[in-house]
Amino acid sequence: GAGVSQSPSNKVTEKGKDVELRCDPISGHTALYWYRQSLGQGLEFLIYFQGNSAPDKSGLPSDRFSAERTGGSVSTLTIQRTQQEDSAVYLCASSLVGAETQYFGPGTRLLVL
Amino acid sequence: AQSVTQLDSQVPVFEEAPVELRCNYSSSVSVYLFWYVQYPNQGLQLLLKYLSGSTLVKGINGFEAEFNKSQTSFHLRKPSVHISDTAEYFCAVRRGTSYGKLTFGQGTILTVHP
Repeated sequence: GAGVSQSPSNKVTEKGKDVELRCDPISGHTALYWYRQSLGQGLEFLIYFQGNSAPDKSGLPSDRFSAERTGGSVSTLTIQRTQQEDSAVYLCASSLVGAETQYFGPGTRLLVL
Repeated sequence: AQSVTQLDSQVPVFEEAPVELRCNYSSSVSVYLFWYVQYPNQGLQLLLKYLSGSTLVKGINGFEAEFNKSQTSFHLRKPSVHISDTAEYFCAVRRGTSYGKLTFGQGTILTVHP
């Protein structure tokens, strides 16, 4: 595919469970970003990857959140011991290094019951 | 740090009428400015961007925006809207460097009525 893809598109989980969200960036895009979109907080930056390293993790809300990227491509955002306030749409974006435009995926809608 | 304020949370308008969605930003460094559109249950799509040069920027779907440095504004305009323009619009800013996370406004829901 030509665009950023994310899976699953929807995830319902119980409070306290762990979840993994996946992002496949556009081929060749070495910069990857995770954002969260929630009713109360709007769109917030979570973490930035350059290749496999994450030079900016400043937006991760707590130590329950972690992310990794392998092979300079796929990224996984993991939320441990989910809480109801984690319910949101998690968006992934990618770009070429040094490019100003970020291309967004369709998001994963997470609902924590 | 940068911040973005979208002055209207909702804008209702009739089809074929003009529309302006307002955006103000603050930053201590040079920035790039963007407008994204989000249709229901979809991701963000880039409408247009300002990097440098001409302050009037044209984007997709007939939208345009004007960068005003003195007023720190980047308002989005369209002379004649269509029903299909109904969506949520986000103004965003990032540092004008090789890397920059986006800082978004709270969004403006544009509803076009027949």
